[in-house]
Amino acid sequence: IAGITQAPTSQILAAGRRMTLRCTQDMRHNAMYWYRQDLGLGLRLIHYSNTAGTTGKGEVPDGYSVSRANTDDFPLTLASAVPSQTSVYFCASSDAPGLANTGELFFGEGSRLTVL
Amino acid sequence: RKEVEQDPGPFNVPEGATVAFNCTYSNSASQSFFWYRQDCRKEPKLLMSVYSSGNEDGRFTAQLNRASQYISLLIRDSKLSDSATYLCVVNNWGNKLVFGAGTILRVKS
Repeated sequence: IAGITQAPTSQILAAGRRMTLRCTQDMRHNAMYWYRQDLGLGLRLIHYSNTAGTTGKGEVPDGYSVSRANTDDFPLTLASAVPSQTSVYFCASSDAPGLANTGELFFGEGSRLTVL
Repeated sequence: RKEVEQDPGPFNVPEGATVAFNCTYSNSASQSFFWYRQDCRKEPKLLMSVYSSGNEDGRFTAQLNRASQYISLLIRDSKLSDSATYLCVVNNWGNKLVFGAGTILRVKS
């Protein structure tokens, strides 16, 4: 079972370029999330989706957009990358959004993005 | 003030030692609590949930103090393989988990 697959694993990008980070899960989880992880700040939620067709903003949504056309895919797009978006990006999924959440998020291996 | 605060460490301990980490959270309405483990350059993985009565999983014991709004993780008989970053995680109202920045543990032989 692959779980969650992210691509690319690493990318160097020029400022101003558009970039899409891909995320696919094969666990049929309803909820999916995008986090960024920066030294000293921990994981911060960018956007989330409770179910296919819906999305919501997290703590740091500015400069990012997401879509959830189906259960399996949850791409994250940087419309015009800036150096402050240099980070490690983790996609995650869980089987039950809401307070019933067991707290178990299943993470992909991360995408390391550098914006120059 | 951060919603979830942890001592970043690093905690450097010898094999066999007992080590404890604390974590404080600011939202008194927080519903549930967890510890995640993250190895270097890897993704976080759930270590254990934290229940009000305290809970144990092998060498790991987690405790919650709602009155003081802190969570603890105790690791007994530390192994080299326990070296990692330990993330304190809080579930506030809704399905959005809030992560602490993590505490680094280094176990040395």
